[in-house]
Amino acid sequence: AQSVTQPDIHITVSEGASLELRCNYSYGATPYLFWYVQSPGQGLQLLLKYFSGDTLVQGIKGFEAEFKRSQSSFNLRKPSVHWSDAAEYFCAVGVTGTASKLTFGTGTRLQVTL
Amino acid sequence: EAQVTQNPRYLITVTGKKLTVTCSQNMNHEYMSWYRQDPGLGLRQIYYSMNVEVTDKGDVPEGYKVSRKEKRNFPLILESPSPNQTSLYFCASSPTTGMAHEKNIQYFGAGTRLSVL
Repeated sequence: AQSVTQPDIHITVSEGASLELRCNYSYGATPYLFWYVQSPGQGLQLLLKYFSGDTLVQGIKGFEAEFKRSQSSFNLRKPSVHWSDAAEYFCAVGVTGTASKLTFGTGTRLQVTL
Repeated sequence: EAQVTQNPRYLITVTGKKLTVTCSQNMNHEYMSWYRQDPGLGLRQIYYSMNVEVTDKGDVPEGYKVSRKEKRNFPLILESPSPNQTSLYFCASSPTTGMAHEKNIQYFGAGTRLSVL
C-alpha cells in the first residue's frame, strides 16, 4: 500500500526567508503527487500537482515542487515566505486504479514570524 | 461558483444520538469522498462513492454510513456516535473515478468540526 511521510510536524520561518517542506512517498510505480494547504478554519486548497512530464511543477501562490524519483520525494518550496503563508500543508499521493483515492501525510504546520 | 458545501460547520452532540452531516457539490462530479482529520494522523478516508448508488469503504469506515441517491449529495451518517468520532470531517469531490486524467483533482469542503460528549 502507498504511504506518505512528512517528517516535519512544525516549521517556523521568518517572513522573506525561503521555505522547503519535505515529503517522501512509498509506492511501487509512478505516483500522482499533490500538495494541499489548509488555512485556519478553512478547507483544503490544492497548491500544485504532479501527474507526469516535467518534474518541477509550479503552483499557485508562488509555490513549486520537484519530483525526485530516485529519492521518492516531492518537496515543496517557496523562495520568499509571506506571513499569509502560515497554514498547515499536506502532501498526498494518488495511485491508479483506486478510484481517485488520496493518501495523505500527517501534515506540516508552518509558522511565519515577522 | 463551483463548490463543495458541508453542513453544519460545527456540531456538538452526545453519545448515541444519531446525526447526519450533509455534503453537496454543484460541479456534476462522479466521485465523492469523506475524510476525517485528526492531529498527527492527517486525513484518512472514511467512505467514497464512484457514482449514484455506488459506495465503498475507505480506510476507517467503522461507525459510519453513507448514501448516494443523487449525484450531487453524499451525506455522512453516524447512527450511534461515540467520543472517538470527535474529529474534523471533510467532504471532497472529483470529476472522474480514475486518477489518470490530469483534471481529476479533488475539491474539498470547508469541513465540519464534530464533538461527541
